[in-house]
Amino acid sequence: GAVVSQHPSWVICKSGTSVKIECRSLDFQATTMFWYRQFPKQSLMLMATSNEGSKATYEQGVEKDKFLINHASLTLSTLTVTSAHPEDSSFYICSASRTGSGNTIYFGEGSWLTVV
Amino acid sequence: AQSVTQPDIHITVSEGASLELRCNYSYGATPYLFWYVQSPGQGLQLLLKYFSGDTLVQGIKGFEAEFKRSQSSFNLRKPSVHWSDAAEYFCAVGGRGSNYKLTFGKGTLLTVNP
Repeated sequence: GAVVSQHPSWVICKSGTSVKIECRSLDFQATTMFWYRQFPKQSLMLMATSNEGSKATYEQGVEKDKFLINHASLTLSTLTVTSAHPEDSSFYICSASRTGSGNTIYFGEGSWLTVV
Repeated sequence: AQSVTQPDIHITVSEGASLELRCNYSYGATPYLFWYVQSPGQGLQLLLKYFSGDTLVQGIKGFEAEFKRSQSSFNLRKPSVHWSDAAEYFCAVGGRGSNYKLTFGKGTLLTVNP
């Protein structure tokens, strides 16, 4: 079946550095991917919609310059957290929709980011 | 704007007992509705979804959900809970068309007692 993969699964970085998280659709093409953020014991909050070949659409309150999204191909979207701070520590999850399969939405396994 | 309410933050049931997790949504038209399960530190697994047709939807792991338009609800049920069902459950609503942006409820944590 269709799979969405995220890498890395977990990452620790120092404050002030940048970290990149990849989201790949392994066996289907995804023109649109979504990035969510989940704080411990809380729900998922949509951060942005990643569109292949165009700029991402950010939700209100999400800093575009801090959370850089690039959707360079139909199978890859990346989220770069720039100048990371401890408050950016969170669980980041991506999703992708596969058309022609009942409009199923698949989620990645998530990426744990810890900023120290 | 679309929204989802899961009234129960935490539910505890005994193994073998029946389960119902509540979900109410707000959406301007007929929505896409989803139930996902999340184990600690893991991503989301789709249990079932409703797009159209039969309002009683069967999912994986013996779960089912019923879409009730009049009540704006999409409650998740399971007749007999197993200890492995302990997890966080999220209800989500999405818009129709090519945009599958989902809005999630706050989740219901299920604890299963032996």
